[in-house]
This record gives sequence, C-alpha cells and structure tokens, in this order.
Amino acid sequence: QSVLTQPPSASGTPGQRVTISCSGSTSNIGSNPVNWYQQLPGTAPKLLIYSNNQRPSGVPDRFSGSKSGSSASLAISGLQSEDEADYYCAAWGDSPNGVVFGGGTKVTVL
Amino acid sequence: QLQLQESGPGLVKPSETLSLTCTVSGGSITIASHYWGWIRQPPGKGLEWIGSIYYSGNTYYNASLKSRVTISVDTSKDQFSLELSSVTAADTAVYFCVRQVEYSLGYRAHIIDHWGQGTLVTVSS
Repeated sequence: QSVLTQPPSASGTPGQRVTISCSGSTSNIGSNPVNWYQQLPGTAPKLLIYSNNQRPSGVPDRFSGSKSGSSASLAISGLQSEDEADYYCAAWGDSPNGVVFGGGTKVTVL
Repeated sequence: QLQLQESGPGLVKPSETLSLTCTVSGGSITIASHYWGWIRQPPGKGLEWIGSIYYSGNTYYNASLKSRVTISVDTSKDQFSLELSSVTAADTAVYFCVRQVEYSLGYRAHIIDHWGQGTLVTVSS
C-alpha cells in the first residue's frame, strides 16, 4: 500500500492529452512539493517534473505538473508512442521523515 | 557527468544480510545539500524508498524498514552502502542507488535527480 495514491493505468491515442492524479495528505503533498518520475520499460526511473511544475533540462514541454492542496497531477499533452511508461509521483513526508511514492501509473498509447 | 553504480551479491539466503555498495563517479559525495540513498522495486511492482545518508553521516530511514536497515558512507572512496538484515523473499527486488538533492525553505524537498542502473537481488535458499 503506497502512501500516495495514483490510478494504476491511463491511456490515450497519439496526440491526445492524458492526466495522472496523485493524492496525498497534509503531511506530504499538502506541505511539500511534488516530483514526478518516468520509468521506461527495463530502465531506471528518470526525473520528469520537480517542485510541482518545473521541468529538468531536456524534458519536453509536453509534460507539465500542478499541485493543489494535498493533490497533484501530471499532464502529458500531444501523447506520443515513446511516452508509454510508468509514472510515479513522490514527495517528502514530514511524519515520519522520508520520501514517499505513489504506486505508479502505467500509461498506454493506444 | 555524475554516475552511480551498484555492486554486491545478486543472491542472498533467507535470514541473512543483504549488502550493497554504490560508487559515485564524476562528482564528489561531499557536496552540500546532497543526500545519497537507496530505493528498491520488487519485480512488477512500484518504487519503495529505503533511506538516505548525508556525507556527515546523518541518515533518514523508511519507518517500515528502519529496524533492519543501515546505510553508511565512505567519503574517502566516494561510496555509500546499504545493509538490510534478516531478509526474506519479500526483499527480492531491483535495488537502485540514487542522489537526492535537499531543499529546505519552509518546506522540505528531496529531488532524486540521479539514479544508478539498478541491481537485482534475489532472496532464495
């Protein structure tokens, strides 16, 4: 059972917009910023979004993040086949201290 | 370019201690505000944060694993290590070593910006 709650799956056709939710509590997302990670099949995860809505260098602007209260979301616009991956949200938990993850959302491009 | 590489046995017997080491190259382990951590992923499942350490020795551990986990650092070798005791089949997973950048500005953030490739550890007799 993960501390943060994500839907197990999401899907869309190429070009569509897909949104993934991440729900937490006041002791994690409600207090601290959210980061998102993308894990392509057979590889290590990669930082996709940090501090709720910031993209590291090299991440396409098709990926965007937002946060409201104790929930956050990741949006992928103009979905592409190479976006097929698992996506994880994460945040720092204040009680007890530590990184907490969502269970992951598998995005399928139809 | 910073690189992290896990090393250690791929097979551990039940009730024994799992030991892994992460070697950091292309950068120093003693950079301010940088923690060094371990994350695991059981086959077909999600990510679980295990814990992290600062070069000074300050540690954070996942509360659910704290009684069995020790993370240590060797700054002279730019390495940090994980020990997980009394392992069972449930500890079978890919173990990743990572760098966590800490921000503390009224809020707390640990951004995991570098990952090792991961190493599969199987617990079996």
